[in-house]
Amino acid sequence: GESVGLHLPTLSVQEGDNSIINCAYSNSASDYFIWYKQESGKGPQFIIDIRSNMDKRQGQRVTVLLNKTVKHLSLQIAATQPGDSAVYFCAEMRGSNYQLIWGAGTKLIIKP
Amino acid sequence: DAGVTQSPTHLIKTRGQHVTLRCSPISGHKSVSWYQQVLGQGPQFIFQYYEKEERGRGNFPDRFSARQFPNYSSELNVNALLLGDSALYLCASSLTGALRELFFGEGSRLTVL
Repeated sequence: GESVGLHLPTLSVQEGDNSIINCAYSNSASDYFIWYKQESGKGPQFIIDIRSNMDKRQGQRVTVLLNKTVKHLSLQIAATQPGDSAVYFCAEMRGSNYQLIWGAGTKLIIKP
Repeated sequence: DAGVTQSPTHLIKTRGQHVTLRCSPISGHKSVSWYQQVLGQGPQFIFQYYEKEERGRGNFPDRFSARQFPNYSSELNVNALLLGDSALYLCASSLTGALRELFFGEGSRLTVL
């Protein structure tokens, strides 16, 4: 049976510091990745994406790094603000079936 | 502008019952996707519709079905509810179905007793 009461990995950072959220993926055939932010009581919100032919992409205050050798993805948030408090998910796409495979999520907590 | 709207926001059903969840996409968006999010986990893909045709289906039993109407709104139906169907059901709309332009609603929270 499925476990209940799963606890999300949690990252606690000081306001103003940089945050790094990590994600491991399992399928080397995945060729497109997205980071989403989900605030409490809301649906996921697109943050940034990256294709497998890139290893870095920058947005506003966010950077995504992709290491295909070790199948690892990270999201860096610069100068973390209280509004960044949320659960962050990485999602991967394999092939062209328009299906996203989501990770378990990391809860980001901002300390004042 | 109105975002993706879902109804109902919360509902409670008992095992064996049937449920219908509704989704209205952003105006102009022709694609709707459905995801199931169990508490503490990431969303799982159920269906995607584009121009009223099913474009993709995730690994869910036949108890789950969906359809898209001419106005691009969508319904997700779940028959013979099980306790494990308790989850947040998310609808996302996009213009073409491209993953980077998915806009999610706030979801319908289903509790099965």
